[in-house]
Amino acid sequence: QQQVKQSPQSLIVQKGGIPIINCAYENTAFDYFPWYQQFPGKGPALLIAIRPDVSEKKEGRFTISFNKSAKQFSLHIMDSQPGDSATYFCAASTDFGNEKLTFGTGTRLTIIP
Amino acid sequence: GAGVSQSPSNKVTEKGKDVELRCDPISGHTALYWYRQSLGQGLEFLIYFQGNSAPDKSGLPSDRFSAERTGGSVSTLTIQRTQQEDSAVYLCASSLVRNSPLHFGNGTRLTVT
Repeated sequence: QQQVKQSPQSLIVQKGGIPIINCAYENTAFDYFPWYQQFPGKGPALLIAIRPDVSEKKEGRFTISFNKSAKQFSLHIMDSQPGDSATYFCAASTDFGNEKLTFGTGTRLTIIP
Repeated sequence: GAGVSQSPSNKVTEKGKDVELRCDPISGHTALYWYRQSLGQGLEFLIYFQGNSAPDKSGLPSDRFSAERTGGSVSTLTIQRTQQEDSAVYLCASSLVRNSPLHFGNGTRLTVT
């Protein structure tokens, strides 16, 4: 049972563009929504996370938008660079904790020069 | 080392054999997690250790899978009588406490032939 649906599966954006990755969840008990970035051969690394009491969070060029009523959240990357090319995973969990994170299936992002 | 260390990085085994995967978490991290990443899939939670508490084994897919954490530090994931569907990347992560950022290792790529 997939509780976090992520789209698109892959995305190609020109340098400087704004890739947007979307996730939708079903479990209304989820209260912690992190995004992870993974490069080939490496483990995922936490990029940015949000809790449902805010609708947007920015960290550098990365922004999470959160829509609690629609049960959706998205990652935006401003001024994208070739070095941002990686696989991005959204995730969700309950009780603000990291245990039993439910992950989306990932988006392979390619930024072309 | 500064990060989570996993060994071996690659393991090829024959169907029916047992394998042991090792994880050295970041020193001082009380929480340790195992996840499995299958090709084209998101990460799947397997097991979670928090301090000296009983581990949360609710994600283990079958009784062929087990894990232990000795002395609150190193963890070993054991898969008995491996099957081809066990082929995946097994990722270990640790965090200072349950709701602090996860730090993933680079994983062990397991191939069952």
